[in-house]
Amino acid sequence: DIQMTQSPSTLSASVGDRVTITCRASQSVSSWLAWYQQKPGKAPKPLIYRASNLESGVPSRFSGRGSGTEFTLTISSLQPDDFATYYCQQYSSYSRTFGQGTKVEVK
Amino acid sequence: EVQLVESGGGLVQPGGSLRLSCAASGFSFRDYAMNWVRQAPGKGLEWVSVISGSGVSTYYTDSVKGRFTISRDNSKNTLYLQMNSLRAEDTAVYFCAKDMGRGNYGDYDYFDYWGQGTLVAVSS
Repeated sequence: DIQMTQSPSTLSASVGDRVTITCRASQSVSSWLAWYQQKPGKAPKPLIYRASNLESGVPSRFSGRGSGTEFTLTISSLQPDDFATYYCQQYSSYSRTFGQGTKVEVK
Repeated sequence: EVQLVESGGGLVQPGGSLRLSCAASGFSFRDYAMNWVRQAPGKGLEWVSVISGSGVSTYYTDSVKGRFTISRDNSKNTLYLQMNSLRAEDTAVYFCAKDMGRGNYGDYDYFDYWGQGTLVAVSS
């Protein structure tokens, strides 16, 4: 199975900050990479698909880049609603795997 | 509006069985692959299983192979997960998730809709 590794595990930031989360795959997943946001007690919500495509309704302050084995999710100006945990997911095969998550917390 | 509503979770003893259901509405259920994803308390997301839109193809993560069975009834717009020989490490919230792909020709994709989850607790 393809392993996904996110960094950092926890990120402390303030409203207005630019934040970047990195996701690395153990082998190339081309651009078959999605990002999700999850808040406590809630289901994950898709943000980005195919590495850089914004899901409908997702604010434009979210952006994704990368291909192959290295990907990033950037929030250009952190808003109060953005404090949450973020997961990357590869879908290059039927065995979809997630990164371990990055918690974005208040600094 | 797409809706996915899981049910069937609860407390079960180690070695026991449980069947989860996921009732789907708001989309053409038979046209999309469906997945189960779980999240142990305080942990990350783990993909568990997928079934193609036709129901012909199924896949599982290694830790549940031979114990869990995914199925679907396209006439009832319902997804199932039969869980046998349950272990403490199966304790988690189980989400059903709609695939953007149909899965009939290996075209699996990301998950665009998720249910709210149902808690499975395995303990004596």
